[in-house]
Amino acid sequence: DSGVTQTPKHLITATGQRVTLRCSPRSGDLSVYWYQQSLDQGLQFLIQYYNGEERAKGNILERFSAQQFPDLHSELNLSSLELGDSALYFCASSVTGGTGELFFGEGSRLTVL
Amino acid sequence: AQSVAQPEDQVNVAEGNPLTVKCTYSVSGNPYLFWYVQYPNRGLQFLLKYITGDNLVKGSYGFEAEFNKSQTSFHLKKPSALVSDSALYFCAVRGPTSGTYKYIFGTGTRLKVLA
Repeated sequence: DSGVTQTPKHLITATGQRVTLRCSPRSGDLSVYWYQQSLDQGLQFLIQYYNGEERAKGNILERFSAQQFPDLHSELNLSSLELGDSALYFCASSVTGGTGELFFGEGSRLTVL
Repeated sequence: AQSVAQPEDQVNVAEGNPLTVKCTYSVSGNPYLFWYVQYPNRGLQFLLKYITGDNLVKGSYGFEAEFNKSQTSFHLKKPSALVSDSALYFCAVRGPTSGTYKYIFGTGTRLKVLA
């Protein structure tokens, strides 16, 4: 158990809908990262937050947004969903300072029908 | 921009034989390098990292990796493979630039250890 909690584990929805994925980082970790893993594209970095502020942005679509709350949990919002958004979405957290490894949650599997 | 390449989609090795999973990287300055393993329907688990110091890094489950600055490589190795090592392996790099803590992952290499 990495200490990073993600909910829901599985989500099935329809095209055009909006979903919210939630992540609770390890106790004491201020950084949260979001990644998308799809079959044909490996692990894609989406966005990183540090203590409530956006720190780095990757290949995140405009239809996607994220935020980190004062209690350090983070949410990834996916809207106007398309079939191609079906993927595993991972959250990870790291020790403050950023020189260490990432600790990953078990992921949220999103299926868009 | 930082990047990571894992040139092999899949590596097959017989149980008991040594294994190598390859990784090359590109980053400005000295890199922070990582290896992770992913079992089916699970999150990624940290195996080992190189930040500085000895070029041979030892990690979990008997794995080790060799950092080679001139070849910009960070290959994962294990002297004797187990069937239970079969999984998806990811190499990752993080640039040392302060304020930008992007961890970039390779596309993954599927390791299959045959009994």
